[in-house]
Amino acid sequence: QVQLVESGGGAVQPGRSLRLSCAASGFTFSSYGMHWVRQAPGKGLEWVAVIWSDGSYKYYADSVKGRFTISRDNSKNMLYMQMNSLRADDTAVYYCARDVPGANFFDYWGQGTLVTVSS
Amino acid sequence: DIQMTQSPSSLSASVGDRVTITCRASQGISNYLAWYQQKPGKVPKLLIYAASTLQSGVPSRFSGSGSGTDFTLTISSLQPEDVATYFCQKYNSAPYTFGQGTKLEIK
Repeated sequence: QVQLVESGGGAVQPGRSLRLSCAASGFTFSSYGMHWVRQAPGKGLEWVAVIWSDGSYKYYADSVKGRFTISRDNSKNMLYMQMNSLRADDTAVYYCARDVPGANFFDYWGQGTLVTVSS
Repeated sequence: DIQMTQSPSSLSASVGDRVTITCRASQGISNYLAWYQQKPGKVPKLLIYAASTLQSGVPSRFSGSGSGTDFTLTISSLQPEDVATYFCQKYNSAPYTFGQGTKLEIK
């Protein structure tokens, strides 16, 4: 069965960096675009970034552009998010999500990893 | 960028009621609209895509309609297990913006 398992979250001070990982299993990872979506405590969903199946295209929300970098390793079935210059408003649960081929909505989500940015 | 606005932000209804949630796009998005359900403490779940196509396994009391800028999610007969927050999402082009959510409670 499809599984997405995020890791790497934690508490970090403003201005510092963190790298999130998402381990994928149960499907042909290299055939799917992958996304990061976040949810601040008690708030709605915010789409963060996408990377195409072959890694050739990436797109970011304005709120993270220039600070976050999405990447993937298809040989390891892994998705990553390098988060630099973290701010308090980056505090959220970060979900990795698989998109439906040819579309950009999400049929499988991970359980999420919490990132807390605070001094 | 296209903005997605849901209404109402919260809703209270009785079991068996017909419930309608609206999502409006600031520009036309054809039918590139998905709906998700997020129960308290849980991960979002895909309900509907292409504005009106029910995801496999989703109860038939859920339906979606609309095209262009105006979309609706309808629950034909509200059940206790439908207590959740519902989000729309546009996916015609990046950024793949979500609506702010509609919190549905049982009266």
